Amino acid sequence: DGGITQSPKYLFRKEGQNVTLSCEQNLNHDAMYWYRQDPGQGLRLIYYSQIVNDFQKGDIAEGYSVSREKKESFPLTVTSAQKNPTAFYLCASSRGGENTDTQYFGPGTRLTVL
Amino acid sequence: AQSVTQPDIHITVSEGASLELRCNYSYGATPYLFWYVQSPGQGLQLLLKYFSGDTLVQGIKGFEAEFKRSQSSFNLRKPSVHWSDAAEYFCAGGGGGKLIFGQGTELSVKP
Repeated sequence: DGGITQSPKYLFRKEGQNVTLSCEQNLNHDAMYWYRQDPGQGLRLIYYSQIVNDFQKGDIAEGYSVSREKKESFPLTVTSAQKNPTAFYLCASSRGGENTDTQYFGPGTRLTVL
Repeated sequence: AQSVTQPDIHITVSEGASLELRCNYSYGATPYLFWYVQSPGQGLQLLLKYFSGDTLVQGIKGFEAEFKRSQSSFNLRKPSVHWSDAAEYFCAGGGGGKLIFGQGTELSVKP
């Protein structure tokens, strides 16, 4: 089955630790995205990548980092510089980066900082 | 600046009643508009999308949406709501290769 997987589903982190969230897709999509979701705020774009080995900052990139070494993988690292990392993180992919390309979402990872 | 607004944070309807969720957009050019649905703790599922052509768009699960340029709106409708439709609904617009999301509308369904 084609789709997007995110792991883990739940993640707990102590303050001051970096943590990496996994996102994998087997849809052969060129573009991938990371969003953060907080209650009442909709989805906010953290980073996106339209091609391997290239990525751009979204609206709230501070405290996050990404890599895109493979077409199917787009891991997100939440660093200790992110002041309020507790949130629900969603990964998405689309065929390309055009406005008309539909984004498909993974099931999400809930990160809690203890 | 491009923006998408969902004026209603929470709506409650009775099962079997009709539903309309509002979405307003602000775009300079032709907008590319989407409606997604999210069940608690899950990812987003695409309901429907509008790019051009017929302004009434049909989607999955019996949903439809109408694009009205004069009102800058893209409201989602369903003639008869089922209890399983209870979820959060997001309107989104495409611009510059990115999606801009509204704040979401949480739908509750009364038996």
